[in-house]
Amino acid sequence: EIVLTQSPGTLSLSPGERATLSCRASQSVTSSSLAWYQQKPGQAPRLLIYSASSRATGIPDRFSGSGSGTDFTLSISRLEPEDLALYYCQQYGTTPPTFGGGTKMEIK
Amino acid sequence: QMQLVESGGGLVNPGGSLRLSCAASGFIFSDYYMTWIRQAPGKGLEWLSCISSSGVTVYYADSLKGRFTISRDNAKNSLFLQMNNLRVDDTAIYYCARAVAGTGWFDAWGQGTLVTVSS
Repeated sequence: EIVLTQSPGTLSLSPGERATLSCRASQSVTSSSLAWYQQKPGQAPRLLIYSASSRATGIPDRFSGSGSGTDFTLSISRLEPEDLALYYCQQYGTTPPTFGGGTKMEIK
Repeated sequence: QMQLVESGGGLVNPGGSLRLSCAASGFIFSDYYMTWIRQAPGKGLEWLSCISSSGVTVYYADSLKGRFTISRDNAKNSLFLQMNNLRVDDTAIYYCARAVAGTGWFDAWGQGTLVTVSS
């Protein structure tokens, strides 16, 4: 199965700053079949990005995804306090689908 | 409005069984693959199983070793997960989720149901 490694484990930034989250795959992800999810404390995950760079319905354009092959990035511009959450990447190009271990976003 | 609501969680002894349900509404249930995903306390997300829109094709994580069975009833817009021979490390929040484009990304999630395996 494809192992996804997310970095950093924790990211602490101030409101208005830009966040860059990394997701690296142990082998190439087929057809950029990678998604990003946001999980706020006590809530279920919410889809942010699919197909590496397509925003899900209702997701603000502050969130953007990029990458291909084995290296993918989630960028959050102009951080807001509500962005405090865990962020997970997931590949679905190869069965079984797998998730990364997550990046915890802290807002200073 | 699209909604997924899980039920059936609770406290069970090691070796016991539980059947989780997920009630879907607000979309054509029979058009979508559906998935179960769990999250152990303080841990990340773990994909467990997926079932095709018709229910004919199923997929499981190798780690389940045949203990769990996914099924669906399209007439009742319901998804199920039968869990047998439960272990302490099966303790988690169990989410059902809608899969897009077959076994693709998960665009809708339920609120989860907590399963606690303990003596």
